[in-house]
Amino acid sequence: AQKITQTQPGMFVQEKEAVTLDCTYDTSDQSYGLFWYKQPSSGEMIFLIYQGSYDEQNATEGRYSLNFQKARKSANLVISASQLGDSAMYFCAMRPRTSGYSTLTFGKGTMLLVSP
Amino acid sequence: KAGVTQTPRYLIKTRGQQVTLSCSPISGHRSVSWYQQTPGQGLQFLFEYFSETQRNKGNFPGRFSGRQFSNSRSEMNVSTLELGDSALYLCASSLDLGTETQYFGPGTRLLVL
Repeated sequence: AQKITQTQPGMFVQEKEAVTLDCTYDTSDQSYGLFWYKQPSSGEMIFLIYQGSYDEQNATEGRYSLNFQKARKSANLVISASQLGDSAMYFCAMRPRTSGYSTLTFGKGTMLLVSP
Repeated sequence: KAGVTQTPRYLIKTRGQQVTLSCSPISGHRSVSWYQQTPGQGLQFLFEYFSETQRNKGNFPGRFSGRQFSNSRSEMNVSTLELGDSALYLCASSLDLGTETQYFGPGTRLLVL
């Protein structure tokens, strides 16, 4: 079974500053994918970034980067130069890489508020 | 390319009624998954469909069911609604089973009175 832990219920950051959202995971699978999603108040889950467990380099997508530390089982999301539109819930998720059927397991989420 | 669409966006029902939610995946995506999101339980996996077959199922009662059509569109049905079924129901599509990234729709907000 997989478990995702996001220890920060809420985070505050000022516009243009960088912020790190924490995520740790627990799995017995050797191969897996890690994902971050953003959920604004409208409800839609927006895919942000993906990291494979065997990827040697940390993933980056524009202002988003994933600080992947496999030995520590952590996959923190770093948002550089925060914008007001970044205010939302952020979910960390993982899915084992199998040839069969596997489900996406989510953490409880972190609410990020960006102030002017 | 159009994203995942879900209809209706909002729904109000009363206890005991049944409801059908619809999901159209991204063009070319063959896998559709459904999730329930509530403040208390967070995001919980309901089921996943691929090639018109349910491939995986979460821990929900039999009142929750679904199906997938040949064009990959999917519907989920909840019968004998209970107050606790009030939630945001999210549909996600991916190219294939396994490790592909899932892309979510805007969700259907269901309120059971």
